[in-house]
Amino acid sequence: ETGVTQSPTHLIKTRGQQVTLRCSSQSGHNTVSWYQQALGQGPQFIFQYYREEENGRGNFPPRFSGLQFPNYSSELNVNALELDDSALYLCASSLERAYNEQFFGPGTRLTVL
Amino acid sequence: AQSVTQLDSQVPVFEEAPVELRCNYSSSVSVYLFWYVQYPNQGLQLLLKYLSGSTLVKGINGFEAEFNKSQTSFHLRKPSVHISDTAEYFCAVSSGGGADGLTFGKGTHLIIQP
Repeated sequence: ETGVTQSPTHLIKTRGQQVTLRCSSQSGHNTVSWYQQALGQGPQFIFQYYREEENGRGNFPPRFSGLQFPNYSSELNVNALELDDSALYLCASSLERAYNEQFFGPGTRLTVL
Repeated sequence: AQSVTQLDSQVPVFEEAPVELRCNYSSSVSVYLFWYVQYPNQGLQLLLKYLSGSTLVKGINGFEAEFNKSQTSFHLRKPSVHISDTAEYFCAVSSGGGADGLTFGKGTHLIIQP
C-alpha cells in the first residue's frame, strides 16, 4: 500500500509568481485535504476535495485554488505569491469525507523571496 | 467555530519519566478529537483519536488520552518517555462533517532529557 506522496519536496519562488504543488493520495482514498503550516504553528486547513469537487474551504483567499483528478490525486495552486505564503504545505488523504483518519504526506516546503 | 489551545509550547522531561501534554478545545457541536506527532522534516502521524464511546483512548507508541467533556479537554499522557519521543505534538478537533477540516493547536514541543 503506497502512502501519501507530495512533490516537489522544496520550492523557492519570488513574490508575484505562481506555484503548483502536487499530491498523490493513499490507495483507495477519494478525499484530499490541504493544509498550510507556517513555521512554529499548527497546520491550517485550506480546502478539501471529495470526488473531484471542492467540499469545504478554510479562511484562505481565492488565489489559493485546487483540483482533484479522476485518480484522486490533487493539485494546490497559489497565484500572486506573497512573502507570508512561505510555509510547509501538507496534503492529507482519507477514505470518504469522514474523519476516521487522515493520512498526511511529508509536505512541500515553499519559500517565497 | 472551533478552536484548540495547547497550553504548553514546550515540555522538557527526563527519559523514563511520565509526561502529560495538555489540550483544551471549544466547539458548539459534538467533536472528534485527535493527537498527531510530527518528527523533524516530516509530515504528521496520527497517535490516537476519540470519535465516540470510551473516554480513555489508547494509541500507538504507548500514548493514551482522556476525553473530558465537562472540562473540554483531551490531554495526552505517556507513563514513561524515551529519547525517540522527542517531537512536536499537535492536538486537533473536527466536527466530523469534513467540510471544515481539522482545526489544530499550535503544538507542544516535547523535549526528552537523558
